[in-house]
Amino acid sequence: GQSLEQPSEVTAVEGAIVQINCTYQTSGFYGLSWYQQHDGGAPTFLSYNGLDGLEETGRFSSFLSRSDSYGYLLLQELQMKDSASYFCAVPGWKLTGGGNKLTFGTGTQLKVEL
Amino acid sequence: DTEVTQTPKHLVMGMTNKKSLKCEQHMGHRAMYWYKQKAKKPPELMFVYSYEKLSINESVPSRFSPECPNSSLLNLHLHALQPEDSALYLCASSQEWDRGNSPLHFGNGTRLTVT
Repeated sequence: GQSLEQPSEVTAVEGAIVQINCTYQTSGFYGLSWYQQHDGGAPTFLSYNGLDGLEETGRFSSFLSRSDSYGYLLLQELQMKDSASYFCAVPGWKLTGGGNKLTFGTGTQLKVEL
Repeated sequence: DTEVTQTPKHLVMGMTNKKSLKCEQHMGHRAMYWYKQKAKKPPELMFVYSYEKLSINESVPSRFSPECPNSSLLNLHLHALQPEDSALYLCASSQEWDRGNSPLHFGNGTRLTVT
């Protein structure tokens, strides 16, 4: 099965940098994704790491270490609108039939304060 | 706004009712998904359709019945639900079904309350 653990809550001030960690145990590994979900909204895709290292997309960066079964999402220059839940997720699929069996981590509630 | 449209936004139903949730996407995606999300919890996969065929059923009770009439539409038929089935039901689609970097595009969900 798949197990992904995240801190339940992180609080930071506007303009700061925050790191959200994700440790995983999976049967087979095909990369790590990150999604953002505002209260009452849809999860939206942020980033994907298929290989070790850092991927940068604007203010957000994501890191993966496959040997440590660990990844993190780094948010820089925090803004109030970044207050949301953040989920790491791992894809998986059946050998036949198709379909991406995306499994989400426990989720981290980020609160950005003035 | 998202490119995956779900209706209705809210639904209240009794345990003896039959209702349907609808999902539509016009991005040409060939995989579509139903997820269930309880408050303060991650989305949990229910069903996956790939090329309009049911590919994955995560041991979902038969009171939930998915249907994919065509490549753009996905329905979830509900019958004899229980109060514990109250949740946010999310539909999603992806361009590819077999690539880890093919992101899921989610709709805003239907908030279901079973009384």
